[in-house]
Amino acid sequence: QVQLQESGPGLVKPSETLSLTCTVSGGSVSSGSYYWSWIRQPPGKGLEWIGYIYYSGSTNYNPSLKSRVTISVDTSKNQFSLKLSSVTAADTAVYYCARVGRAFDYWGQGTLVTVSS
Amino acid sequence: AIQLTQSPSSLSASVGDRVTITCRASQGISSALAWYQQKPGKAPKLLIYDASSLESGVPSRFSGSGSGTDFTLTISSLQPEDFATYYCQQFNSYPRMYTFGQGTKLEIK
Repeated sequence: QVQLQESGPGLVKPSETLSLTCTVSGGSVSSGSYYWSWIRQPPGKGLEWIGYIYYSGSTNYNPSLKSRVTISVDTSKNQFSLKLSSVTAADTAVYYCARVGRAFDYWGQGTLVTVSS
Repeated sequence: AIQLTQSPSSLSASVGDRVTITCRASQGISSALAWYQQKPGKAPKLLIYDASSLESGVPSRFSGSGSGTDFTLTISSLQPEDFATYYCQQFNSYPRMYTFGQGTKLEIK
């Protein structure tokens, strides 16, 4: 059974960089069959795709966030990570990591990140 | 960028009802559409992929149909555990990108 777990600070100051890590168990980020993605959901709102990474390191990001987002992978730790720079209150959200096969088939439980001074 | 519009945004129904939710894409996406169910405080759960393929373990009362720009999710007989928010999501192959609909909240009448 594939499991994903997000980790990282729950509070980030405005203008700083949000950093989260997703640890995968029961599966491998090195599998060429899947992409690995980040999605976020502001409180009371809908889902927003942030970006993905493939085991090779290739990435693509939501154009609305592209200038501030970096996703990386560490195959030795079976993890992938998100960095979002220059955060504002609008970046306050529950952040999910997910595996992407035919769709987002496995999700982490989500972690709330609040941007506040 | 391809946009997805779900209708209705909210819906009240009773246990046993047949319910249909619609998702319209701003341009043709073949069958590259999925449906998710999300309950409060929980991660979304995949129900349907490739427009009409039922994810393993999902009850058969859920079904999806459509291709091109118009898609539907149907719940044949609502159960108490089905009251949740439902999202459609499309996949664009080149460049590889994903978009979610705005959601449909299904409430108990």
